[in-house]
Amino acid sequence: DQQVKQNSPSLSVQEGRISILNCDYTNSMFDYFLWYKKYPAEGPTFLISISSIKDKNEDGRFTVFLNKSAKHLSLHIVPSQPGDSAVYFCAAIYNNDMRFGAGTRLTVKP
Amino acid sequence: EAGVVQSPRYKIIEKKQPVAFWCNPISGHNTLYWYRQNLGQGPELLIRYENEEAVDDSQLPKDRFSAERLKGVDSTLKIQPAELGDSAVYLCASSFRDRGISPLHFGNGTRLTVT
Repeated sequence: DQQVKQNSPSLSVQEGRISILNCDYTNSMFDYFLWYKKYPAEGPTFLISISSIKDKNEDGRFTVFLNKSAKHLSLHIVPSQPGDSAVYFCAAIYNNDMRFGAGTRLTVKP
Repeated sequence: EAGVVQSPRYKIIEKKQPVAFWCNPISGHNTLYWYRQNLGQGPELLIRYENEEAVDDSQLPKDRFSAERLKGVDSTLKIQPAELGDSAVYLCASSFRDRGISPLHFGNGTRLTVT
């Protein structure tokens, strides 16, 4: 069962603009959410996280927003850079069980 | 700090053959995970260890898959016999679980192709 869904397989944005990656989940028991970034032939790398008791967490150019009522989270990258081109996975945790979405491939064009 | 090390990076075998993957986690990390990632999908947990103990192996196909983590450090994942559907990237990850949430650190994975 797909408890974590990333409905956009790909996203293309211009350098300097905002990238918004979306993620939906179905299990209301999830209490922690993470975003991972993955380059080709490498493992996923942790990017940013948010607890379910918060609605926003910011780290430099990256901000994660959580809307618990809608069971939706998003990752904003501002400004986007060509080096941000990668596959982004959202993940959710409950009781030490981490579930991943299928990923969104972001392409940032110069 | 050195990251999670996995070997081999790539493996091509014929179906029905055995295969093994090795993982060396980050020093001091007490929790180790094996994930499988199929093309176009996110990683799916196969097994999670806390120290030497397998605390979650509910998604491990036990008829053909086995894993061990001797001395609570390195781990091996074995498939015997391999099937065509086992072709995937096998990822190892580790974390230090004390209290609260600790992000997982992933290795670069082993890409398995079964022909």
